[in-house]
Amino acid sequence: RKEVEQDPGPFNVPEGATVAFNCTYSNSASQSFFWYRQDCRKEPKLLMSVYSSGNEDGRFTAQLNRASQYISLLIRDSKLSDSATYLCVVNGFTGNQFYFGTGTSLTVIP
Amino acid sequence: GAVVSQHPSRVICKSGTSVKIECRSLDFQATTMFWYRQFPKKSLMLMATSNEGSKATYEQGVEKDKFLINHASLTLSTLTVTSAHPEDSSFYICSARGGVAGRPYNEQFFGPGTRLTVL
Repeated sequence: RKEVEQDPGPFNVPEGATVAFNCTYSNSASQSFFWYRQDCRKEPKLLMSVYSSGNEDGRFTAQLNRASQYISLLIRDSKLSDSATYLCVVNGFTGNQFYFGTGTSLTVIP
Repeated sequence: GAVVSQHPSRVICKSGTSVKIECRSLDFQATTMFWYRQFPKKSLMLMATSNEGSKATYEQGVEKDKFLINHASLTLSTLTVTSAHPEDSSFYICSARGGVAGRPYNEQFFGPGTRLTVL
């Protein structure tokens, strides 16, 4: 079983739409969770950390469900510039290794 | 702040030769560096984790004698692909983690990657 699993998409949504991604993880002892964004031919960059209480940054909301072992990312009022691949990242058994999901591709259409 | 560089950005080599890739944290001290490999349209696959001054921890299935990692200082880690073969052709990305003011503790800062092509 993979450490982290994501729906690869692609998600094609119109501007202004709300879109949500989920990511499941296998290690119940994981403590750190992140969403990264990767643009085509670029390196990944941190979008936001995911806290137990959930967190919001502008149009982006991240949530953690420990009981079901998944994290989610909600994007409201999608912009063209949101088009990218979104990667969820979870730390591993020792706490020092981090594992990436396969990424979810999002394209926002005018 | 928190910039990570990689060198070279692109390298082409003959089968059987060795290639060294450098990863540097330019404006912070990286207590931990990670090496990833990324195939086209795939996510990053963690290869190994290295802490300054100690041996790297390799992921299952990654040959430590083939992918030599040295983390000699808090700002430099190197990955050497020994006796490279065409199947080693890939995009290699490093990341660094350290105490960067104002950033989440576990945030990784990624280098731009190195495209390796083995002929």
